[in-house]
Amino acid sequence: QITLKESGPTLVKPTQTLTLTCTFSGFSLSTSGVSVGWIRQPPGKALEWLALIYGNDDKRYSPSLKSRLTITKDTSKNQVVLTMTNMDPVDTATYYCAHIPRNMVRGVIFQVFDYWGQGALVTVSS
Amino acid sequence: DIQMTQSPSSLSASVGDRVTITCRASQSISSYLNWYQQKPGKAPKVLIYASSTLQSGVPSRFSGSGSGTDFTLTISSLQPEDFATYYCQQSYSLPWAFGQGTKVEIK
Repeated sequence: QITLKESGPTLVKPTQTLTLTCTFSGFSLSTSGVSVGWIRQPPGKALEWLALIYGNDDKRYSPSLKSRLTITKDTSKNQVVLTMTNMDPVDTATYYCAHIPRNMVRGVIFQVFDYWGQGALVTVSS
Repeated sequence: DIQMTQSPSSLSASVGDRVTITCRASQSISSYLNWYQQKPGKAPKVLIYASSTLQSGVPSRFSGSGSGTDFTLTISSLQPEDFATYYCQQSYSLPWAFGQGTKVEIK
């Protein structure tokens, strides 16, 4: 059974750095093609993909936030960490981590967020 | 970057209705299209991936179709537990993008 859970501060001040940890179980990031991603959702708004990391340490970021984001993994602890610098009130959102498997359909690999954490609401305010 | 546009933004329907939600990509994404359902205060749940492949455990009243730029999510007979917001998402190329969502409300 795959589970993920986000943890971190619920309140950060403007200009501070946010650090969120995703602790997961039921899979290994060492498995070929498996990755973990981060997605956020401002209150009442749509979902926004932020970053993902593969077991081989390949990392990808949203271009609009790339300068502020860092994603890392600790395979031995089954954790993925996202840091976001220079937080602003517009970054107030629920932050989710999610498992991304390697699904083969008709001989083609498709990626999808198939298991999600419960989400962590982060408010940016002074 | 690829933009995803859903229509309608919201709809009202009754239990038992057939519901169709459309998602359009700003350029061809082949079949790299996923659909999610989100209920208030909960994380999204995947319904369909690769445009038409039903995720394990998802009821068969949900179906997806389309390729290229135009995609459809259909609920064949709306059930009370289906009232939620639905999102499409392209996984064809990074940055992955979601649609703005379609809220399905009770008529």
